[in-house]
Amino acid sequence: ELKVEQNPLFLSMQEGKNYTIYCNYSTTSDRLYWYRQDPGKSLESLFVLLSNGAVKQEGRLMASLDTKARLSTLHITAAVHDLSATYFCAVMSGAQKLVFGQGTRLTINP
Amino acid sequence: EAQVTQNPRYLITVTGKKLTVTCSQNMNHEYMSWYRQDPGLGLRQIYYSMNVEVTDKGDVPEGYKVSRKEKRNFPLILESPSPNQTSLYFCASSTPRGRFNTEAFFGQGTRLTVV
Repeated sequence: ELKVEQNPLFLSMQEGKNYTIYCNYSTTSDRLYWYRQDPGKSLESLFVLLSNGAVKQEGRLMASLDTKARLSTLHITAAVHDLSATYFCAVMSGAQKLVFGQGTRLTINP
Repeated sequence: EAQVTQNPRYLITVTGKKLTVTCSQNMNHEYMSWYRQDPGLGLRQIYYSMNVEVTDKGDVPEGYKVSRKEKRNFPLILESPSPNQTSLYFCASSTPRGRFNTEAFFGQGTRLTVV
């Protein structure tokens, strides 16, 4: 059974700092997703990572995938308050099931 | 605009009173799913459908039913809701695996409280 674990689950950081969220998964998959969720809102797709070594960047966020280590990272550069949200990674399992991590609640303080 | 629409957005109901949460997508996607989100557990799949009249259980199907009579609609039915089904529910749709950049689009969510 595929399990997806994120860490940390809670992260409070100051504006301008860098940090990384980690996503480990237990069985082979060739498709990993990162989503953002604001309080009371739906999930917004950030990145789709399809192959080993894939790296994608959008603004201050950069995601990477290492399928051999079964690890994805979401790196935040020079954080700003607007990035405060909960971030989920999800791995495709079987035909069409996304298995989600527990989520990382990120708070960025001025 | 491409979207997944759920209704209602908020619902408070009593134990045992049947309810239906509707989900509709306008992207002609074959795949649709229902997830529930609970604190500390992320999202867990309840049911999914790979096409019209094709549905299957996800990880937490107990207490739920679904149907897929039309491609665009995938309602979630709670025949006899119980308090442990209090949760935030999301419907999602996507194109089949294997197509370029398969991505799931999520509805706005339905916050259900069963008292």
